[in-house]
Amino acid sequence: EDQVTQSPEALRLQEGESSSLNCSYTVSGLRGLFWYRQDPGKGPEFLFTLYSAGEEKEKERLKATLTKKESFLHITAPKPEDSATYLCAVRNRDDKIIFGKGTRLHILP
Amino acid sequence: EAQVTQNPRYLITVTGKKLTVTCSQNMNHEYMSWYRQDPGLGLRQIYYSMNVEVTDKGDVPEGYKVSRKEKRNFPLILESPSPNQTSLYFCASRDFHEQYFGPGTRLTVT
Repeated sequence: EDQVTQSPEALRLQEGESSSLNCSYTVSGLRGLFWYRQDPGKGPEFLFTLYSAGEEKEKERLKATLTKKESFLHITAPKPEDSATYLCAVRNRDDKIIFGKGTRLHILP
Repeated sequence: EAQVTQNPRYLITVTGKKLTVTCSQNMNHEYMSWYRQDPGLGLRQIYYSMNVEVTDKGDVPEGYKVSRKEKRNFPLILESPSPNQTSLYFCASRDFHEQYFGPGTRLTVT
């Protein structure tokens, strides 16, 4: 069964303290791995799509990487406005998207 | 501006009273979905549509209906809502590379 597991469930960091969020997956025929940011009560906002192991993408303080079994979302020198829930999802060979339960990130000023 | 719109944003209703949540996208996407999001359970797909007049069940379709008569619209219908359908609902549309979500509809069924 295809599944996505994100860790940790929650993470509190001081402003400027860099860290990484993990997304482990098992999927039948990966056709893309996605990262989203979600603020409370709002719709997920698309961040990145990664397609193959070794691929990396960056946006401001965020960098996403992909291996054959997991993806990392690295956050460099985070600011309080980076506080949000970060969701990981994969698309399988049947074109179905499976979401993880997310990591709640809180950046303390 | 590329966007997915949903209405209403908030809805409080009573058990058994039929309701419809509308969804519209302006990106000419063929694929549209409805999700519900509940604490501890994450996003779960209710129904999806790969094109006009083509719809299929997702992971939690019981108690819901959808229709896709036009490419841009994908309404979610609750024929007889029950309290266990109290949730935050999201419509989404996608192409091969990206999926865009609507702002959400918070539904409370009493």
